[in-house]
Amino acid sequence: AQSVTQLDSQVPVFEEAPVELRCNYSSSVSVYLFWYVQYPNQGLQLLLKYLSGSTLVKGINGFEAEFNKSQTSFHLRKPSVHISDTAEYFCAVTLNQAGTALIFGKGTTLSVSS
Amino acid sequence: GAVVSQHPSRVICKSGTSVKIECRSLDFQATTMFWYRQFPKQSLMLMATSNEGSKATYEQGVEKDKFLINHASLTLSTLTVTSAHPEDSSFYICSASGGTRRYEQYFGPGTRLTVT
Repeated sequence: AQSVTQLDSQVPVFEEAPVELRCNYSSSVSVYLFWYVQYPNQGLQLLLKYLSGSTLVKGINGFEAEFNKSQTSFHLRKPSVHISDTAEYFCAVTLNQAGTALIFGKGTTLSVSS
Repeated sequence: GAVVSQHPSRVICKSGTSVKIECRSLDFQATTMFWYRQFPKQSLMLMATSNEGSKATYEQGVEKDKFLINHASLTLSTLTVTSAHPEDSSFYICSASGGTRRYEQYFGPGTRLTVT
C-alpha cells in the first residue's frame, strides 16, 4: 500500500521569502506524484506532477518540485512567495496505472504574511 | 488544464431528505470518476471510484446504500446522499480522469452540503 507524509502541518513565511513544503511517500511499486493547491471553499487545482523523465518538474505559479527516489521525497519549492500563495497544499501519489485513486497527505497550510 | 464542474456548489437540506450532486467533465471523456469527502481542516477521504458503465467501488466504511453513485456516461457522475443526517454535512469533491488525461485527476470545485 502507498502512503504520503507531509511533514509540516503549517508553514508561516513572509512575502518574497523562499519556501519548501516537504513530502515523503512510501510505496513498494512505482508511483506518480502530484502537488495540488486548495483555496478556501474550493476544489483542488493541480500545481505540478511527476510521471517520468526529469526529476525536477516545474508547475504553475512559479512552483517546482524535485523527485528523489532514494529519499522517497517530492518536496515543493518556490523561490519567492506572494500573499496570494496562502492556501492548503496537498501532496498525493497514485499507482502508475490509469484509473487508480490518489492517496493524499494530510496537507500543509502555507500562510504568507507581509 | 481540464475542466470539471460540480452542481450544486452549496446545498442545505433537512434531515431525512435526499440530495443529488452532479459532477461533469466538460472537455474530456472521463472513464473514471472519484468521489471524495473532506472535513474541515482535513485532507480528502476517498469514498468511491466509479468507472463509466460499471458499479462503483466503495472504500471500506462507506455505506453504498447511503451514498449512491451513478456513472452512466463519460461526462457525468452523480452522488446521491440518501436520507441525509447532520453527520453527513461535509464538503464533497469529485475528480475525473480519462483519455489522454488518464494518469491525472482533475477536480471539481466541490459541493458544501449542510443537513439541518
